[in-house]
Amino acid sequence: EDKVVQSPLSLVVHEGDTVTLNCSYEVTNFRSLLWYKQEKKAPTFLFMLTSSGIEKKSGRLSSILDKKELSSILNITATQTGDSAIYLCAVGLNYGGATNKLIFGTGTLLAVQP
Amino acid sequence: DARVTQTPRHKVTEMGQEVTMRCQPILGHNTVFWYRQTMMQGLELLAYFRNRAPLDDSGMPKDRFSAEMPDATLATLKIQPSEPRDSAVYFCASGAPTGWHTDTQYFGPGTRLTVL
Repeated sequence: EDKVVQSPLSLVVHEGDTVTLNCSYEVTNFRSLLWYKQEKKAPTFLFMLTSSGIEKKSGRLSSILDKKELSSILNITATQTGDSAIYLCAVGLNYGGATNKLIFGTGTLLAVQP
Repeated sequence: DARVTQTPRHKVTEMGQEVTMRCQPILGHNTVFWYRQTMMQGLELLAYFRNRAPLDDSGMPKDRFSAEMPDATLATLKIQPSEPRDSAVYFCASGAPTGWHTDTQYFGPGTRLTVL
């Protein structure tokens, strides 16, 4: 059975801290790994990773994929209270064709305290 | 700006009633996904359409749930009869047919369903 596991389940940090969120997967036909941020509404897209070792960066957020270790990390530097959210990791499976289904992890709940 | 829309945003109903949720995907997107999110289970894929054809509805309880795409601008998810265990947030997401971000799905705001 295809599986995506995220750790930690939850995390409390103080503003200014750096955090690392983990995502590991066991799937057949891996195609891509995506990170989403979910505040009190819909998940919003952060990154999509398909190649090992290439860092994607957006402001204080960055992510990298390790296909050998079947995992990815999401780093957030200089955290702010606005970073408080659930961070979801999802893996896209290659069944052929465009826009295939995603398998989501249960998420990491990040709380940033002032 | 282009976004997925869903109606209603909130629905409270009594057990046994029919519930219909609607989704308008982003114009030009040809794939539509229905998810259910609960605290216990996280995000679960219920059904998945490409070019209006159902590709995978294995996550959906078939006896009471049905999903359709009557046209390219409308997807529906129906529950009949509803049960308290169906209480959850239901998200619709859509994806573009081609391009390097083909796996990226864009989520609507969700319908928060409460079945009493």
